[in-house]
This record gives sequence, structure tokens and C-alpha cells, in this order.
Amino acid sequence: AQTVTQSQPEMSVQEAETVTLSCTYDTSESDYYLFWYKQPPSRQMILVIRQEAYKQQNATENRFSVNFQKAAKSFSLKISDSQLGDAAMYFCAYRSANYGGSQGNLIFGKGTKLSVKP
Amino acid sequence: DAGVIQSPRHEVTEMGQEVTLRCKPISGHDYLFWYRQTMMRGLELLIYFNNNVPIDDSGMPEDRFSAKMPNASFSTLKIQPSEPRDSAVYFCASSLGDRLGPLHFGNGTRLTVT
Repeated sequence: AQTVTQSQPEMSVQEAETVTLSCTYDTSESDYYLFWYKQPPSRQMILVIRQEAYKQQNATENRFSVNFQKAAKSFSLKISDSQLGDAAMYFCAYRSANYGGSQGNLIFGKGTKLSVKP
Repeated sequence: DAGVIQSPRHEVTEMGQEVTLRCKPISGHDYLFWYRQTMMRGLELLIYFNNNVPIDDSGMPEDRFSAKMPNASFSTLKIQPSEPRDSAVYFCASSLGDRLGPLHFGNGTRLTVT
């Protein structure tokens, strides 16, 4: 079974600085998706960025980028120019790309709580 | 696109009562998921449907929990009888099955069982 591990329960960053959140996963599959979701205090789950395993190029969305190391099964999130609104729980998640069966599930890590200091 | 719509947003009930949570997925999405979030256990999958058919319900805690999807635009999660340990935030999410992309989440229902 696949697992997702976020080893940093809490992180803190100064406004305008850069922070990196870590995520590792375990799978025997070769084709899958990886995601970062943000959950602010409003509890809404917001998709931040996604990466397809067959793509070597790291995904980027504005100030958010990932460092995807497939061999190491690592998927870290970098937030540049941190803003107060970035303060939230961040969840790393894995989803198999195999169609159907019991592999449609999204498997989450335990989350990292990010604080942004003004 | 209205997004995934869940109701109610908050539910407070007494132990032993029946609770029904509702979800309307994004139109056209063929996967629907129910998750539960607690501080202790994080986000756990309860059940998910594909084309209205339950695919994996191994996360449903026990017989007190049941979920239905009578059509492509509506699903319910029912707890009967409810217990204090069921207190959590329950999320519904949907996705388009093509290449199994990201899940789109509703705003969740915060359930408190006293």
C-alpha cells in the first residue's frame, strides 16, 4: 500500500522569505500523481500544485514550485516570497494513475502547519 | 462552476441520533469521495464511488455508517446511531476520471456529537 510522510509537523517563515515543505512517499507504481493541498483556517481544501510522475520537469504555479525526485520518492514544496495569506496546513497527497479499482483514492500525509511571521 | 456543495456546514446532535450529510459533486465528475478529518487521524477516506457505484468502502468505520449515491448529482453519508467519537469534519470531493486528476473538495461539514 502507498504511504505519504510529512516529517515536519510545523514550520515557520518570515514574510517575503522562502520556505520548503518536505514530503516523501512510498509506492511500487511507476505512474501516479502527486499534489499539494492547502487548508487555511476556513478548512477549505485548496489545490496548490500537481505533478505527474511521468513528467521530469518540476511543476510551478506562480510563487509555488516543487522539487520532484522520483528515484528518491521525494516531493517537496517551495513557497517563494511568502505572504501572510500562505499561513495554513499543507497536505501532500498521492494518487495512482491506474484507472479504476481501488486505486482512485487520494492518500494524504499528516500535514505541515505553516506560520508566516510579519 | 459552483464547485462541490456540502450541507449542512455545521451539525450538532446528541448521541444516538441519526445524522445525514449531503453532497452535490461538480457536474460531469464521475468520482465522488467521502473523507473524515480529525486531529488524531488526519484525513481518512471513508468511501468512494465511480459512476454512482461504491468502489471502496473499506474505510467506513462500522455498520453505523452508510453512504449512497442515487444519481450522478447527489450523495449522502448517514450515521445511525451517532456517537461522540464520530465528531469530525466530513469532506466530500469529486473528480473527473480521465487520467485520474486532482480531487475538488467541498467546504466540509463539521459534526459535533454530544
